[in-house]
Amino acid sequence: DQQVKQNSPSLSVQEGRISILNCDYTNSMFDYFLWYKKYPAEGPTFLISISSIKDKNEDGRFTVFLNKSAKHLSLHIVPSQPGDSAVYFCAARTVNAGNMLTFGGGTRLMVKP
Amino acid sequence: DSGVTQTPKHLITATGQRVTLRCSPRSGDLSVYWYQQSLDQGLQFLIQYYNGEERAKGNILERFSAQQFPDLHSELNLSSLELGDSALYFCASSVESHATLDGYTFGSGTRLTVV
Repeated sequence: DQQVKQNSPSLSVQEGRISILNCDYTNSMFDYFLWYKKYPAEGPTFLISISSIKDKNEDGRFTVFLNKSAKHLSLHIVPSQPGDSAVYFCAARTVNAGNMLTFGGGTRLMVKP
Repeated sequence: DSGVTQTPKHLITATGQRVTLRCSPRSGDLSVYWYQQSLDQGLQFLIQYYNGEERAKGNILERFSAQQFPDLHSELNLSSLELGDSALYFCASSVESHATLDGYTFGSGTRLTVV
């Protein structure tokens, strides 16, 4: 049972445009949501997070939006740069279930120059 | 360099064998988490240790076991290996016993190939 789903395995965007990566979840007990970025041959690195009590968090070019009623999370990257090309994972923390992170399957973002 | 060290980086072994993956957490971190990433899939949580004690268990096979030592490094033991165990194994660490809004810090992984 995949509780965190990233339905788009890949996304291609032109440099300078907006990249929107989506994530859906099923578990209402998730209270923290995080995005990680992963380059080849490296481990995932933390990018940005949001608490379930908020609907938006911004950090430079990266903004995460949370729509709890739709159980949907999105990451916006504006403007996109070629160095943003990587696999992006969304993750969620479950309250009272060990509090570990559950990850989605990832979306490969390609930013074309 | 994330500060989380995983060795070896690559491992090729035959079916039925046993291997040990090692992880040294970032300095000051007490929690160690093990995740498995099979071919182009998400990261599946295996097990967590906090300050030497098992804290949480995910979908870890009985053939797999782990432990965290007094110096806080951790080892993941995989035995009776099958072809399907071929995957990237990531270790992550954190200060707290639970995930926070700062997430975990991941190592660069061990790529296990079972032939």
